[in-house]
Amino acid sequence: AQSVTQPDIHITVSEGASLELRCNYSYGATPYLFWYVQSPGQGLQLLLKYFSGDTLVQGIKGFEAEFKRSQSSFNLRKPSVHWSDAAEYFCAVGLYNNNDMRFGAGTRLTVKP
Amino acid sequence: DVKVTQSSRYLVKRTGEKVFLECVQDMDHENMFWYRQDPGLGLRLIYFSYDVKMKEKGDIPEGYSVSREKKERFSLILESASTNQTSMYLCASSSGQSYGYTFGSGTRLTVV
Repeated sequence: AQSVTQPDIHITVSEGASLELRCNYSYGATPYLFWYVQSPGQGLQLLLKYFSGDTLVQGIKGFEAEFKRSQSSFNLRKPSVHWSDAAEYFCAVGLYNNNDMRFGAGTRLTVKP
Repeated sequence: DVKVTQSSRYLVKRTGEKVFLECVQDMDHENMFWYRQDPGLGLRLIYFSYDVKMKEKGDIPEGYSVSREKKERFSLILESASTNQTSMYLCASSSGQSYGYTFGSGTRLTVV
């Protein structure tokens, strides 16, 4: 079955530390891949996306993600976390010629001072 | 700046009421979507529409209907609200899968 897995429900990091949020997918072909961020009480904002080309993609707010086909993964990274990065992060996959996008269950990020 | 606007941020309705959630986008997008978001479950697709007057069921359409009479507006209807429909509802629009979605700020619905 097609699925998107974010193994970490909640992650806590100290401000200034590096961050990696994991995402794995299970699809028959390479899908479109996305990361979204949701601040409390808000909708989702697109951070970055991948659908072809360079497997390391840069996004907004200093985030990047790397697509690894062999591992069916699309992990989100940031070298130095800021307190304002505290939010919930969602990985999503979409299929070409399919209007349906599938979301992971989300990872909540807490940033310690 | 592109926008998806959901008419209400918070709603409280009684069991059995008919509830309308409105969503308007100003980007001329063909595709519009309704999701509900619950803790631990992520986002689940209720309905989507790829053109005016067209609709497709998502994963959890039971208890919901939709209306898209104009390209910019996509309404979600709860025919008879129930307590298990208490949730955050998110509307999104898109011009194509590769572009990602633009989301509204959400409507937090409480059914009492």
